[in-house]
Amino acid sequence: GAVVSQHPSWVICKSGTSVKIECRSLDFQATTMFWYRQFPKQSLMLMATSNEGSKATYEQGVEKDKFLINHASLTLSTLTVTSAHPEDSSFYICSAPIMGDPSRNEQFFGPGTRLTVL
Amino acid sequence: GDSVTQMEGPVTLSEEAFLTINCTYTATGYPSLFWYVQYPGEGLQLLLKATKADDKGSNKGFEATYRKETTSFHLEKGSVQVSDSAVYFCALNNFNKFYFGSGTKLNVKP
Repeated sequence: GAVVSQHPSWVICKSGTSVKIECRSLDFQATTMFWYRQFPKQSLMLMATSNEGSKATYEQGVEKDKFLINHASLTLSTLTVTSAHPEDSSFYICSAPIMGDPSRNEQFFGPGTRLTVL
Repeated sequence: GDSVTQMEGPVTLSEEAFLTINCTYTATGYPSLFWYVQYPGEGLQLLLKATKADDKGSNKGFEATYRKETTSFHLEKGSVQVSDSAVYFCALNNFNKFYFGSGTKLNVKP
């Protein structure tokens, strides 16, 4: 089956620093990838849609200048948390549909990245 | 806006018991509905899906039927196993966006 990887799987950083999280589709191409964050014992909340070759689209309430998204190729999207603060600590998950009709295809999820900001 | 509501957990059952996890949704148009499962330390995996009203998704003994009249997509399994212990997420996909329920943790005791 289709595999999505994330790197790193966990990261601890100091407040004020920036952290980059990578999301890769390993055996398929994805023009669209999605970024979610998940708080403990809560659901996944969609943050933004990453589009290859164009700007990301952000959900309401998500700061685009704080969460920078770059979809560099058909297999890689990166999320950079800039000037991280403790409230940014969360579990970040990416997903990707196989190119085609994303409204009907399943999403393939990465294993997630645990970010802890001290 | 679109949303998914599912029953709170944890749900604790004995092995071979019957499982129901309720899920209802609010959406405009005609969303696709999904159940995802998350095992400890792993990412979300698709369990089953249904793309239109009255469709029944099934996999590994789990079933869910897309009920448009009640806007529901309840997950059922006739006989759970210890290996089914995980967190289950109901989700909808509408206009290329996924919306997830809060997740229901299932604990199955031997």
